[in-house]
Amino acid sequence: DTAVSQTPKYLVTQMGNDKSIKCEQNLGHDTMYWYKQDSKKFLKIMFSYNNKELIINETVPNRFSPKSPDKAHLNLHINSLELGDSAVYFCASSHRGQGNTEAFFGQGTRLTVV
Amino acid sequence: AQSVTQLDSQVPVFEEAPVELRCNYSSSVSVYLFWYVQYPNQGLQLLLKYLSGSTLVESINGFEAEFNKSQTSFHLRKPSVHISDTAEYFCAVSDMDSSYKLIFGSGTRLLVRP
Repeated sequence: DTAVSQTPKYLVTQMGNDKSIKCEQNLGHDTMYWYKQDSKKFLKIMFSYNNKELIINETVPNRFSPKSPDKAHLNLHINSLELGDSAVYFCASSHRGQGNTEAFFGQGTRLTVV
Repeated sequence: AQSVTQLDSQVPVFEEAPVELRCNYSSSVSVYLFWYVQYPNQGLQLLLKYLSGSTLVESINGFEAEFNKSQTSFHLRKPSVHISDTAEYFCAVSDMDSSYKLIFGSGTRLLVRP
């Protein structure tokens, strides 16, 4: 009964590969996010979808492409992986609306590019 | 644009001592304020939040934070810490517009020693 679940938890891959991280939430939320946590633990938003519509697209290389097949899923596909992509990627969800903006986070996916 | 400053990267403290983790923010609009906690190798969990109303908010495990609009601060306090409180603490803001994205501070590592 995990609220926000991400797979895989760990991902080790070589430079140049293409990989995907999946995220699912069972909270009935209408908004989902991807955040990146770098080696210094700094967290920064990458993307956000509301009802399958992209509403936030921060300055992220276009090798990163999010896809939301439905409100409960937000996947992240990364092409041509680079060493600098190594980080922990967190999926989160919330319900859009005044007074109810708490975001619930997944356990994270630790991506290591070698 | 919003920003969050957590001046202390690490706060060492002895068990049962009081602690304050500082958070200051800047924003030209009204904001929601949050404290998240990250235990080692885990995701982020919401500790407490300020949306409106009473400026003093409390968590179930003894933490509290006070929203001070004039000083643009949202410091986190606990009168007596436990070893199990050792974790990374992140302050975050979300403005009251349509995006609801979280802007995080750089985090403060609370290290509780016996």
